[in-house]
Amino acid sequence: RKEVEQDPGPFNVPEGATVAFNCTYSNSASQSFFWYRQDCRKEPKLLMSVYSSGNEDGRFTAQLNRASQYISLLIRDSKLSDSATYLCVVKLAGTALIFGKGTTLSVSS
Amino acid sequence: ETGVTQSPTHLIKTRGQQVTLRCSSQSGHNTVSWYQQALGQGPQFIFQYYREEENGRGNFPPRFSGLQFPNYSSELNVNALELDDSALYLCASSPDGQETQYFGPGTRLLVL
Repeated sequence: RKEVEQDPGPFNVPEGATVAFNCTYSNSASQSFFWYRQDCRKEPKLLMSVYSSGNEDGRFTAQLNRASQYISLLIRDSKLSDSATYLCVVKLAGTALIFGKGTTLSVSS
Repeated sequence: ETGVTQSPTHLIKTRGQQVTLRCSSQSGHNTVSWYQQALGQGPQFIFQYYREEENGRGNFPPRFSGLQFPNYSSELNVNALELDDSALYLCASSPDGQETQYFGPGTRLLVL
């Protein structure tokens, strides 16, 4: 079983749509959780950290369920500029980031 | 911008050769990690350095080695290159006490 698993995608949505990405992780000792965004042929960039209480940043909402070892990312009112690959990332204390394979989002006009 | 730079941006090598990739982090970022990202995959952890000492390693063979220097620069060395080593190599740094890692733009390596 992979340490971090994501919806394979790709997700093709029209502008203005709401889209949700799901992710599960296998190590219950994971302590930190993130969503990174990666544009084609570029480096990953931190989109947002994910907290147990859930957190929101503009059109983006992240949720964490530790009991189910499940992380989600909701994007509302999708923009063309949201087209990218979204990487689910977990981290154990003091260790490196563990990435999922990524889910590709394509937003069309 | 993350303040993390990498060189070169692109590199072509042949099987069996050796390569050195370089990374320069922000001042105060004592932790640097290196990742390999194959096409269509997420980044895979190679190793991590803290204050010039290796303090974590992923599932990569010993021909992948590294160094970190006091001036916040670091190197990834790969010996005996194989075709499967073709990938985007990313370094990421973080300051003490922070979980967030800041990535450089990567070096794209092609092994022929």
